[in-house]
Amino acid sequence: GAGVSQSPSNKVTEKGKDVELRCDPISGHTALYWYRQSLGQGLEFLIYFQGNSAPDKSGLPSDRFSAERTGGSVSTLTIQRTQQEDSAVYLCASSLDVQGGTQYFGPGTRLLVL
Amino acid sequence: KQEVTQIPAALSVPEGENLVLNCSFTDSAIYNLQWFRQDPGKGLTSLLLIQSSQREQTSGRLNASLDKSSGRSTLYIAASQPGDSATYLCAVYSGGGADGLTFGKGTHLIIQP
Repeated sequence: GAGVSQSPSNKVTEKGKDVELRCDPISGHTALYWYRQSLGQGLEFLIYFQGNSAPDKSGLPSDRFSAERTGGSVSTLTIQRTQQEDSAVYLCASSLDVQGGTQYFGPGTRLLVL
Repeated sequence: KQEVTQIPAALSVPEGENLVLNCSFTDSAIYNLQWFRQDPGKGLTSLLLIQSSQREQTSGRLNASLDKSSGRSTLYIAASQPGDSATYLCAVYSGGGADGLTFGKGTHLIIQP
C-alpha cells in the first residue's frame, strides 16, 4: 500500500480481555517498529522487527505483551489480560531497514481499557 | 540512557513570524535525528531527517540543524502559517535498531491567523 496501515483504529475493551493490534507496513520495508503513546508519557519504543525476527524484546512493558511478524510483512501486537494502564495509542512504523532510515508511521490504534 | 528534551513545551505566535523549536539530547553518539509533526488524533508525519554527519537539512519553509557534539538540534520554520499548527516531535536514533527512536515530549505549536 501507499503507507503504513493499522487496524483497528479504535478499540474499547474490558479489563482482563485480550486484544490484538495489527500493522501493515509499507511494501518492501524490512524493518518494523511498535511504539506506545500514553497521555503525559510521550512516545515509548516497544519492539522492532528486522524481517520476521525481533532480536530484543526488553522494551515490552510486561510479559502480557507479545508481538510477531509473518512473511516479513504484517505484524500483530497482542496484549493479554489488559489493564487500565494499557490504555494508549499504539503506533507502528516501518523503514527500508534498521540502519537509520526514515521511519514512516501509521495512524495508530487508540486502545481504551475500561 | 538517551534522553531528549524539547523546549518550549508550547508556543503560540501570530501568522507570518519565523520561529525556532529546540531539541537537546544527552548522548551525542547518535546515528541520526528526525523531526516529525503530529496533528490531533493522527499519526506522525516525518518532516526532516539529519544524518549524524550532516549539519542541516531543508525542506520548503523548514530548516533543521544538528550540532551533534553539543547535543542540540533546531527546527526553523519560516513565514509561519495557520496550517503549521501541530505538535512537533524530535527523535534520535542511536543505531542497530535495538532502541528504536527516542522521542522528546514535543512542542505544541499554535499559529494565530
